[in-house]
Amino acid sequence: AQRVTQPEKLLSVFKGAPVELKCNYSYSGSPELFWYVQYSRQRLQLLLRHISRESIKGFTADLNKGETSFHLKKPFAQEEDSAMYYCALSINNAGNMLTFGGGTRLMVKP
Amino acid sequence: EAQVTQNPRYLITVTGKKLTVTCSQNMNHEYMSWYRQDPGLGLRQIYYSMNVEVTDKGDVPEGYKVSRKEKRNFPLILESPSPNQTSLYFCAGYPRDTDEKLFFGSGTQLSVL
Repeated sequence: AQRVTQPEKLLSVFKGAPVELKCNYSYSGSPELFWYVQYSRQRLQLLLRHISRESIKGFTADLNKGETSFHLKKPFAQEEDSAMYYCALSINNAGNMLTFGGGTRLMVKP
Repeated sequence: EAQVTQNPRYLITVTGKKLTVTCSQNMNHEYMSWYRQDPGLGLRQIYYSMNVEVTDKGDVPEGYKVSRKEKRNFPLILESPSPNQTSLYFCAGYPRDTDEKLFFGSGTQLSVL
């Protein structure tokens, strides 16, 4: 069965520092990977997906099949980036069934 | 605009008192799902539905029921709630025309005393 692991439950950085939220997955096939974000008192929403290969709000994530990782990075963290971040994996063709990691809370201090 | 509406947003109840959390979507899509969110455990899928009258267990279905009598609604039923079901619950649907993949509702915070 597929599995998503986010090793850090909490990541605290200062404003302007680089950020890397780790995500590792286990799946023998070719999954589709996502990052979801949940800001305080808001719904969970899609941040980015690996097939888009785009930068959203300064965040990027590269799928590394050799290391089975999909780490989320941002060179300069902002206070408004403080949120809960979830890495997720989809294995079905419809892509609508997701397996989530345990989540990482990012706190960006002024 | 894609919407997934959950009600209520907050609910406090007592052990054993049956409750229903409603979920309604306007995306006209077949797929809907319920998740619970717990500190340190992240999001875990409770049940999902691929179409009307088709429901399947997710990772943590014990103590929950769902029904899918019509496409837009997917209520979550707790027949006899227990304190370990105190959690934040999210309903999600699969929107047609975006890259959202899963579109989540705003959540229902349930406390079982």
